[in-house]
Amino acid sequence: AQTVTQSQPEMSVQEAETVTLSCTYDTSESDYYLFWYKQPPSRQMILVIRQEAYKQQNATENRFSVNFQKAAKSFSLKISDSQLGDAAMYFCAYRSSGNTPLVFGKGTRLSVIA
Amino acid sequence: GAVVSQHPSRVICKSGTSVKIECRSLDFQATTMFWYRQFPKQSLMLMATSNEGSKATYEQGVEKDKFLINHASLTLSTLTVTSAHPEDSSFYICSASPGLAGGPGYEQYFGPGTRLTVT
Repeated sequence: AQTVTQSQPEMSVQEAETVTLSCTYDTSESDYYLFWYKQPPSRQMILVIRQEAYKQQNATENRFSVNFQKAAKSFSLKISDSQLGDAAMYFCAYRSSGNTPLVFGKGTRLSVIA
Repeated sequence: GAVVSQHPSRVICKSGTSVKIECRSLDFQATTMFWYRQFPKQSLMLMATSNEGSKATYEQGVEKDKFLINHASLTLSTLTVTSAHPEDSSFYICSASPGLAGGPGYEQYFGPGTRLTVT
């Protein structure tokens, strides 16, 4: 079974600074997807970024980018120019190919300090 | 964009009663819906996967007789918590997928969640 590990229960960052959230996963599959979701206090799950395993290029979405290291099974999220609105719980998630459910890590709570 | 709704957003019920939570895909047909449970300050735990017109597949440890899931149409799945007890109090989240119709990536879209409190 696939597992996702987030080793940082909490992180903090100064406003306008950069922070990196770590995620590792374990799988024997070669075709899969990786995601970062944000869950603000409203608890609505918001997709931040996704990465297809077959793509070597790291995904980017505005201030959010990932460092995908397939061999190391590592998938970290970098948030640049952090904003107060970035404060939330961040979940790393894995999904096999096909219409399959997501496997979530335990999450990292990010605080942004003004 | 794809929108998934859940109703109710909050519900309080007495111990021993049943409560139904609805998950609807508003602007797409969801061939598959997933139900997750989230305890405070914890991650999402998959409860079951439901495909339209088929019986739901439950994860190990999830009581299928307690958490009844029905996916009778391509836009609606329901989760019924039967004979609820205080330990069933939790945040329940559904996600819906249009399957291949949404592209090869099988995108999933989350509902806003339902907070269940059993007194």
